[in-house]
Amino acid sequence: SAVISQKPSRDICQRGTSLTIQCQVDSQVTMMFWYRQQPGQSLTLIATANQGSEATYESGFVIDKFPISRPNLTFSTLTVSNMSPEDSSIYLCSVKGDDYNEQFFGPGTRLTVL
Amino acid sequence: TQLLEQSPQFLSIQEGENLTVYCNSSSVFSSLQWYRQEPGEGPVLLVTVVTGGEVKKLKRLTFQFGDARKDSSLHITAAQPGDTGLYLCAGAQWFQKLVFGTGTRLLVSP
Repeated sequence: SAVISQKPSRDICQRGTSLTIQCQVDSQVTMMFWYRQQPGQSLTLIATANQGSEATYESGFVIDKFPISRPNLTFSTLTVSNMSPEDSSIYLCSVKGDDYNEQFFGPGTRLTVL
Repeated sequence: TQLLEQSPQFLSIQEGENLTVYCNSSSVFSSLQWYRQEPGEGPVLLVTVVTGGEVKKLKRLTFQFGDARKDSSLHITAAQPGDTGLYLCAGAQWFQKLVFGTGTRLLVSP
């Protein structure tokens, strides 16, 4: 399985500002995913990030609010723009494994917006 | 929209007890995974089941995929404090995105 790191691990931000979260994988992967996990909740897919193409966003998530970059096969960023307290969540990146639809996750970024 | 409902939502038990977590859907899945997430960490894959009726064992954990591939269960024998965490099932239909269940939070007290 891939080893995935995320930066920052946590942050406290003021409303109206933006935060960029980085996701680094120790091997080349085709598909990377970004999830949001609100307090006490399950995971909700924000978007799928493929290298060389625009990210595909899920219903309820838009590029202006959550711009994503995927410059190569081992790295991606998610920006949370114009933050409000409702954006306080854990943000997780993951990569697709070789078998079926398995995914391997980074440790997450815990974001608090004041 | 595919929905995966897990029950119970929360379970608090004593060390040594047995428990079962259920994951139910009205949709058929080509594969289903179980993950465990501990505080401050991302979900960690425990198992993948792909065949209807399949049973997989991982030490004290037993996973079963329903015959119709719409539901799954996780049974833990003699639970230990180290089993504490959020258990998530996740299903996919033929290489489409994963849909995560609602989650079951397990607390095992010494």
